[in-house]
Amino acid sequence: GAVVSQHPSWVICKSGTSVKIECRSLDFQATTMFWYRQFPKQSLMLMATSNEGSKATYEQGVEKDKFLINHASLTLSTLTVTSAHPEDSSFYICSALQGSGNTIYFGEGSWLTVV
Amino acid sequence: KNEVEQSPQNLTAQEGEFITINCSYSVGISALHWLQQHPGGGIVSLFMLSSGKKKHGRLIATINIQEKHSSLHITASHPRDSAVYICAVRSRGGADGLTFGKGTHLIIQP
Repeated sequence: GAVVSQHPSWVICKSGTSVKIECRSLDFQATTMFWYRQFPKQSLMLMATSNEGSKATYEQGVEKDKFLINHASLTLSTLTVTSAHPEDSSFYICSALQGSGNTIYFGEGSWLTVV
Repeated sequence: KNEVEQSPQNLTAQEGEFITINCSYSVGISALHWLQQHPGGGIVSLFMLSSGKKKHGRLIATINIQEKHSSLHITASHPRDSAVYICAVRSRGGADGLTFGKGTHLIIQP
């Protein structure tokens, strides 16, 4: 079946540095990908919608200059957390929309720890 | 914005019991997803529903569009079913991301 691969699974970075998370659809083209964040014991929250070849659409309260999203191809979207802060430590997960239907596949998620 | 409510938040049951998890939402949707999140965080999509009922193995998911309600059932529950089960909805009309419920933390004891 369709697979969405997310990398890295775990990352530790120092405050002030940037970290990039990749989300790839391995066997289908995804014109739309989504990025979510989950803080401990909280529900997943949509951060932004990433459309291939255009600017991402960010949810209210998500800083677009801090969370840079690039969807340069139909199989790859990246999330870059810039000037990382310990408060950015969270579980980040992407999903990809297959075709024009409602089938959504999730990546494995990335645990980010900012020290 | 769609509000998604799940119940119960926590559920502990004995192996073999029949499990029901409920989900209600506030605004019309194009699809509802039931997801399973393991302790490591990874998410598995169990079902996607827009109407009726689906069955996969010991899992059954139903949705009532008029009542804006869905249920996930697990028959003959097993300790390996222990996980967080999340209901997520996609609102009508757009290529929007999902709105998630807070999840149901299920523990099946042997």
